Order: sequence, then C-alpha cells, then structure tokens
Amino acid sequence: GDSVTQMEGPVTLSEEAFLTINCTYTATGYPSLFWYVQYPGEGLQLLLKATKADDKGSNKGFEATYRKETTSFHLEKGSVQVSDSAVYFCALRGDTGTASKLTFGTGTRLQVTL
Amino acid sequence: NAGVTQTPKFQVLKTGQSMTLQCAQDMNHEYMSWYRQDPGMGLRLIHYSVGAGITDQGEVPNGYNVSRSTTEDFPLRLLSAAPSQTSVYFCATFPGGARREQYFGPGTRLTVT
Repeated sequence: GDSVTQMEGPVTLSEEAFLTINCTYTATGYPSLFWYVQYPGEGLQLLLKATKADDKGSNKGFEATYRKETTSFHLEKGSVQVSDSAVYFCALRGDTGTASKLTFGTGTRLQVTL
Repeated sequence: NAGVTQTPKFQVLKTGQSMTLQCAQDMNHEYMSWYRQDPGMGLRLIHYSVGAGITDQGEVPNGYNVSRSTTEDFPLRLLSAAPSQTSVYFCATFPGGARREQYFGPGTRLTVT
C-alpha cells in the first residue's frame, strides 16, 4: 500500500537558517503530494501541494518539488522564522482507491530559536 | 464561512462511556473524513463519506461508528470508549474533482481513563 516516510525530528534551527525536511513516498501510479503544517493547538493547514511530476509547490517561502525519479517531495525554506515553529506533515493521495484518504508521514517538529 | 467546525475541543471519558464527536462544514463538500492523530504515527483514517447516506471504513475503524444524513454533518460515535481511543481527532472535508486538498477542522482532544 501507499506509505510516506519523513525525517524524524525534532529539528532545531536558528532564525534565518536554511530548512530541509526530507520526505519520500511509496505509491503506485501518480499520486498527488502535499505538505501540511500544524501550529500548536491547531488543526492541519495545507502549506503546499504538487499534483504531477516535476511540479513545484510553493507558499509562504516554502517550496517542494515532486520528484518521481527519486519518489521524493522534500520541503525547503531559505530563511526560517520563529513563527515557522510547528509540526510539518508530508502526505499523499493515490490516484486509485479511496479519494478521501490521505496517507500521512509521522510529522516533523520544527523549533526555530532566536 | 466557518469552514470545518468540531465540538467539543476537549473531552474526558471513563472506560465504557459513549459519546459523539461532532463535525460540521459549510463548504458544501461531498467528501468528509475522520482521522485520529497519535504521537509518532501521523494521522490515520477512521471512516469517510463520499456523500450523504454513504459511509465506508478507513484503516482504523474498530470501535467507531459514523453516519451521514446531511451534506453538512458527519458525527463520529464511540459506543464504548477504551483507553486506546485516547487521541486527537480531526474531521476533514474534500470537494472532490480536480481540486485535491483536504480542509481540516481544529480537532477534538479525547482522553479515556
């Protein structure tokens, strides 16, 4: 079945540092890929998405490129801020089976300090 | 436009008690889902619905029931709570079609003692 593997956290960075959170996936066909962010005490919010190979999703300075050859969707940001401290989830929706189902990674907690 | 709302935000139950977690949406989305979030495990799908009157099981359905009598509401019922059901529960909606992102509610934190 489908699966998503994320790097384990927590990731602790100083403000203005470069961020990479690795995400790889296993799925048949051509899944859609997502990054969700969860701020403390809140639900999940869509951060960015990509629906086909070589697509780049971007939002709020974050970027991720759908790499089918390496089955990866790594999240990057050039200069993190304290306000980026949150838990980040990589997720996929397969192109077959249950349309409602997202398969999530285990989440990576990011802590940004001054 | 409230989006996806969930009640209650917090709940403590004793083993064997029953309760219903409420989820409502005002976006007229056909698809609705319930997930549970546990430490180190990401989110797992409990039940989902592709429209009023239609529900199906996800990957962890045991101990939970759902119904979908209207497009707007998708309650999740725990008939006899167990400590293993201590978790954070999220409701999500999905418009279907070419747009593929899901919209999540703020969550319900449930503790079963």
